[in-house]
Amino acid sequence: DGGITQSPKYLFRKEGQNVTLSCEQNLNHDAMYWYRQDPGQGLRLIYYSQIVNDFQKGDIAEGYSVSREKKESFPLTVTSAQKNPTAFYLCASSSGQGRTEAFFGQGTRLTVV
Amino acid sequence: GQQLNQSPQSMFIQEGEDVSMNCTSSSIFNTWLWYKQDPGEGPVLLIALYKAGELTSNGRLTAQFGITRKDSFLNISASIPSDVGIYFCAELSIQGAQKLVFGQGTRLTINP
Repeated sequence: DGGITQSPKYLFRKEGQNVTLSCEQNLNHDAMYWYRQDPGQGLRLIYYSQIVNDFQKGDIAEGYSVSREKKESFPLTVTSAQKNPTAFYLCASSSGQGRTEAFFGQGTRLTVV
Repeated sequence: GQQLNQSPQSMFIQEGEDVSMNCTSSSIFNTWLWYKQDPGEGPVLLIALYKAGELTSNGRLTAQFGITRKDSFLNISASIPSDVGIYFCAELSIQGAQKLVFGQGTRLTINP
């Protein structure tokens, strides 16, 4: 089936460790996005990418890094520099052209202890 | 960053009532998207709007792209318990950087 897959669903890490969240899509979409959601809050844009080997910072990029080496993959690394990393992380993709729509993965809930 | 103002922030209604929520933007965009999010899940796309004045329905849901291209509304008719959740509007520009920006969300609670 076509779609966006985020893994794992739940992730626990110790404070000070870097952690990488996976996002894979088989929709042949050009654009991919990472968002952070805190309890009771909206979605804040971390990074986005319109094409392979290119990405832009969103509104809250500090403490995060991404790569876009393949069209179907857009992993997000939460570094030890992120002061409050515990959150729900959502990945989305869109075709990036014309009458485009954006679709989300199921999310990864990261808990740092 | 870009600002989307979504209102109301929360709604408490009785089952069977109609619901209306809206979003306004400080900028002109080309696409309005409406999503619903259930707890612990990713948002699911409900309706996409691409043209100023466009009115689109999806079952009991109706959404419109404002004539000024700076606003949109979503209506839900005859609400049912499974409509509970958070509804988000989003804008996607097709010019320049394709930044997908979201409103703050409207949390819908339904009393049976």
